[in-house]
Formats: sequence, C-alpha cells, structure tokens
Amino acid sequence: EAQVTQNPRYLITVTGKKLTVTCSQNMNHEYMSWYRQDPGLGLRQIYYSMNVEVTDKGDVPEGYKVSRKEKRNFPLILESPSPNQTSLYFCASSLNGGVNTEAFFGQGTRLTVV
Amino acid sequence: SQQGEEDPQALSIQEGENATMNCSYKTSINNLQWYRQNSGRGLVHLILIRSNEREKHSGRLRVTLDTSKKSSSLLITASRAADTASYFCATAEFSGGYNKLIFGAGTRLAVHP
Repeated sequence: EAQVTQNPRYLITVTGKKLTVTCSQNMNHEYMSWYRQDPGLGLRQIYYSMNVEVTDKGDVPEGYKVSRKEKRNFPLILESPSPNQTSLYFCASSLNGGVNTEAFFGQGTRLTVV
Repeated sequence: SQQGEEDPQALSIQEGENATMNCSYKTSINNLQWYRQNSGRGLVHLILIRSNEREKHSGRLRVTLDTSKKSSSLLITASRAADTASYFCATAEFSGGYNKLIFGAGTRLAVHP
C-alpha cells in the first residue's frame, strides 16, 4: 500500500529540547516536503527536497532543519523547539512536487512545546 | 506565500444537499488540486484539474477551473454526513526554481443528517 508514515503522531516537549520527527515513504518519490498547519493559515511549507542530498527552504523554515540521506526518509529536526512551533505537522511526497501529480500526505504529528 | 483562498470559510448543509466551495488564486498555475482533510488527519487527494481543462468529474465531485478569473469551484452533489471535513485547494506552480504546491486556508464543511 502506498503510504507516507510519520512518527510520532503526538509529541509534547519542553522548550529547547531537541527533537526529530521522522517521515518515510514507500513510493520511490523524489520530491518530499514538510508543512505545518495552523488554524486559519492553511498549510505552509517548511522545507522541501527534490532528491537525495538536495534540500531547500520553503516559506517558513526558521527553527527547523531537514536531511535527505536516503530517498525514502526525510526527517524534520527541531534543534531548540519554542512554543511558537506548537503546530500540526505533515510530511508529503510526490513524483515531482505537484506538477500534474498528486501529493501523498502522512497522518500528521501534533507537536506541543511547553 | 499563500496562493489559494477558499470561500466560504465554513459551510453547513443538510444531507442530500449540494455543497459548493470556491477557490481563487493569484498567479499562473500548472494545475489546481483539491484535497480533503478529516479532523486532525492527513490530507487526501480528491481531484486534479490541469490549466488547459475547464471541468472534471469524479463520482459525486465536479470541479471547474476558470483561468481567466483565476478561480475554481468544487461541487459535491447529494452530500452525506461522511463528507464532513475540511477541503483545501492547492495550486501547483513553478516558483523560485522549483515546483511546489501552495495551499489555501480551507473550507470547513459540516453535513448534518
């Protein structure tokens, strides 16, 4: 079954404690991205990756890092989380970033930073 | 940057009625897509319409695209309680050297039995 798997689904952490949210896809997609979803703001892209070792900033990259060492994995790293990073996070993958193809989303990670 | 803007923000209807949601965008697009999100869960792709298409159907879904007005609409016919969800439009554009999907803030649809 084609899927994007994120872990964990829920996470409560304290300010400043480094965390990693994992994302894995089994569709051999080249393009992967991270979004955060906040009430009234829709989905905003944090980082994206067009292929292994190729990553770049999206619209709201501050406070986040990513890596793409393997095609299937695209972890999101918060080196020093702050309360304003409390949000619902989604990982997505697609063949080519949405040009005439759909994006597949993970189930989301609800992060609370206290 | 937020390209698509859905209208209305919220819609409440009875089962059996039709639901229409609209999306407006600002720049040239390659295609426009509609996604559904059940409460707190991941987005699921519904339908994609290319910039050279004007209308597309999928089951009870009908999507139109008017590139001259930079707008699209999603019609759900004979709605069911299970259609209760948030619906997002996303425009696919080539920007800053790469392809990306830009999402609007969504329309929350409530279908009452």
